[in-house]
Amino acid sequence: QVQLVQSGAEVKKPGASVKVSCKVSGYSLSDLSIHWVRQAPGKGLEWMGVFDAENGDTIYAQKLEGRVIMTEDTSIDTAYLELSSLRSEDTAVYYCATEGLHTGFENWGQGTLVTVSS
Amino acid sequence: DIQMTQSPSTLSASVGDSVTITCRASQSIGNWLAWYQQKPGKAPNLLIYKASTLESGVSSRFSGSGSGTEFTLTISSLQPDDFATYYCQQYNSYSRTFGQGTKVEIK
Repeated sequence: QVQLVQSGAEVKKPGASVKVSCKVSGYSLSDLSIHWVRQAPGKGLEWMGVFDAENGDTIYAQKLEGRVIMTEDTSIDTAYLELSSLRSEDTAVYYCATEGLHTGFENWGQGTLVTVSS
Repeated sequence: DIQMTQSPSTLSASVGDSVTITCRASQSIGNWLAWYQQKPGKAPNLLIYKASTLESGVSSRFSGSGSGTEFTLTISSLQPDDFATYYCQQYNSYSRTFGQGTKVEIK
């Protein structure tokens, strides 16, 4: 059973960057594709992108291109999401998630609240 | 990108009612559709995948149908624990997308 444990809440100023981590256990990170999904307060779910374990490629949501970087360190089974040039609209809970074979997102991290405020 | 449109945005119902949520895709996605339930302060929980396959451990009161561009989630005999927000999500393309959500409220 895949378990995902994320890093703690962050408070950042506009223009800064944030890096959120997602520690994987119960499975090898090198065999998983880690997706990132965010949810602004009171709003719906927004898919941000994926680090594809199969080929090491990343696919990002178009609206975040240029500001988002997804990486992995397989030696410690940890995935990372870095978002730069933060603005107030980036205030959200950020989730990492994994898919099963031909299913939706079966496993989710607990979420990391990122607050962008001056 | 494929757009997903859910309706209604909010649904008021009573315990014991049967309710249906609709999700439409902007282009055909085959049956690559999942449904999730989310409660306040919690991560979403997968209910159904491949449009109609019930995730292990999920109550049989939940059912999904559809293919192509039109899909439905039906909850029969609503229970107090079912009042939550529901999302559809396509995984036909590399870029995944969610519907905007449907909040099921107590009437």
